Amino acid sequence: EVQLAESGGGLVQRGGSLRLSCAANGFTFKTYGMNWVRQAPGKGLEWVSYISSSSGTIYYADSVKGRFTVSRDNARNSLFLQMNSLRDEDTAVYYCTRDLGIAATITCDYWGQGTLVTVSS
Amino acid sequence: SYELSQPPSVSVSPGQTASITCSGDKLGDKYACWYQQKSGQSPMMVIYQNTKRPSGIPERFSGSNSGNTATLTISGTQSVDEADYYCQAWDSNTGVFGGGTKLTVL
Repeated sequence: EVQLAESGGGLVQRGGSLRLSCAANGFTFKTYGMNWVRQAPGKGLEWVSYISSSSGTIYYADSVKGRFTVSRDNARNSLFLQMNSLRDEDTAVYYCTRDLGIAATITCDYWGQGTLVTVSS
Repeated sequence: SYELSQPPSVSVSPGQTASITCSGDKLGDKYACWYQQKSGQSPMMVIYQNTKRPSGIPERFSGSNSGNTATLTISGTQSVDEADYYCQAWDSNTGVFGGGTKLTVL
């Protein structure tokens, strides 16, 4: 059974930093691309970042480019999101998702339960 | 930047067919996915690559994508289908979600 478990969320001051983790189980992690998707309270879904299986390809949404860094450790079956210079609008539940690997698109076939990040002044 | 538009809400009676649309420029040239999110839960993929159903998704869920519009169709809608539905595509190395549609079964 595929399992994705995010952690690392919490309350952080505006301008601060936070590192999210996602522990993957139940599949061969090193062969799948992964995504981060967020959802502000009461709002819709927003794609944040994609990282390929080997970390050779990485993409970011414009809203986080230059502030967030995605990485992975295939030996530890883990995905990370380093978030710096946090803004009020970064407040959201952050989901890690497995990517099905279809060319020319992203396809989030499994989702974690999410971790809440709250940015406060 | 690329945008996907969905109606904010759709209502359907039990047993009837619900159609949720997703509009974007030349969306038919891209792959569309659909996700279902029930209250308090994580999203779940219900359609990928325009028309394909993941294992475990009921046959009453189907998808199409042509021109500028992708459509999620739920035939014989049940009360358990009440949820928010999001379309998603990929453009210029960026993931794009529609704003979401709240499906009410009444």
